[in-house]
Amino acid sequence: GAGVSQSPRYKVAKRGQDVALRCDPISGHVSLFWYQQALGQGPEFLTYFQNEAQLDKSGLPSDRFFAERPEGSVSTLKIQRTQQEDSAVYLCASSGPPTGARNTEAFFGQGTRLTVV
Amino acid sequence: SQQGEEDPQALSIQEGENATMNCSYKTSINNLQWYRQNSGRGLVHLILIRSNEREKHSGRLRVTLDTSKKSSSLLITASRAADTASYFCATDDGSEKLVFGKGMKLTVNP
Repeated sequence: GAGVSQSPRYKVAKRGQDVALRCDPISGHVSLFWYQQALGQGPEFLTYFQNEAQLDKSGLPSDRFFAERPEGSVSTLKIQRTQQEDSAVYLCASSGPPTGARNTEAFFGQGTRLTVV
Repeated sequence: SQQGEEDPQALSIQEGENATMNCSYKTSINNLQWYRQNSGRGLVHLILIRSNEREKHSGRLRVTLDTSKKSSSLLITASRAADTASYFCATDDGSEKLVFGKGMKLTVNP
């Protein structure tokens, strides 16, 4: 597609519910990132994929958070047993070159706003 | 954790004026990037400056980088109402992930 697409745009979940957030990166982009943005803050890194390999998941806040990219394209961020502190905008980004060829921009989707009630 | 810190945190100017935002960071970097975010929208990449560059221009944007002071500035000249947004600096230390600052809210009044 023309850009990074995320769905749903908005999600309201009851506390304890599991949610799945989808990211469609730009076609052909090797690198895919997930970020969490709390209200009034800058995005914070969650996890990074290069193709289907999850190379860095150091930012995932707990074992309730799980991300996958099984075919190296679409990615899903899953949050189990959601808590109120999980309320945030979840941003997905993709970029073209693999490791070692950085210095390129990341293209961000519009995000999924998750509200846990 | 957030590495960059933008200064000021909020700025309100009149259309046509210049806007300057500063960013300080803590660790060594590969490059520094500036992004814009309109309310309720995703981040849009504005400009990237490599660690071996000192100044870069793109249209009405001018960014500087001082690695000895671990700081960068973004200048927007001849501002427009459409420039109203939050601006973030983000550093890349070569580990693939970007580390963002808390952002600066710019309001350009028509």
